[in-house]
Amino acid sequence: DIQMTQSPSSLSASLGDRVTITCRASQGITNYLAWYQQKPGEVPKLLVYAASILQSGVPSRFSGSGSGTDFTLSISNLQLEDVGTYYCQRYNGVPPYSFGPGTKVEI
Amino acid sequence: VELVESGGDLVQPGGSLRLSCAASGFNFDNYLMSWIRQAPGKGLEWVANIKVGGNDKYYVDSVKGRFTISRDDAKNSLFLQMNSLTVEDTAVYYCVRLGGDLGRLGDLWGKGTQVIVSS
Repeated sequence: DIQMTQSPSSLSASLGDRVTITCRASQGITNYLAWYQQKPGEVPKLLVYAASILQSGVPSRFSGSGSGTDFTLSISNLQLEDVGTYYCQRYNGVPPYSFGPGTKVEI
Repeated sequence: VELVESGGDLVQPGGSLRLSCAASGFNFDNYLMSWIRQAPGKGLEWVANIKVGGNDKYYVDSVKGRFTISRDDAKNSLFLQMNSLTVEDTAVYYCVRLGGDLGRLGDLWGKGTQVIVSS
């Protein structure tokens, strides 16, 4: 199975900062990479798919990039409502469409 | 448009539970469906998924032979039969619709149902 890793596992930043989360796949997954946001006490929400396409309704301060094995999710102008845990997920090939371990973002 | 899970409970190791998920507001029989779980304080784990029609299923290794995913498209329902439960199965179980790109993205999540395996 393809393993997904993320770094850092947690970060603390200030309002208005730009933060970047990295996700790495153990094998190439072209651009079949999604990002989810899980706010405290809520269910996960799809943010980005195909590595860089924002899901409808997601603020433009979020952006994704990468291909192959290395991917990033960036949040510019960090807001209070962005606090939560962010998960990457690969969805190429066959299941399991495994998730990364998550990155907790705090302010 | 929503998914509503039920059936979670406190159960002893070795016991069984059947989770249900009621879908509404969309054409259930057009979508792959999955169960994804989250242990307390932990990340997301893909447990099982089932294709349209119900004949093609996938299970994560840790539940193979113990869990069975099924669906009733006439009743817009998804199920997860869980047998031989262990403490490692303790988690919130989410019913998730797979849509979007390639029909593999979790684009609709239920609120989850809590399964606690403990003596």
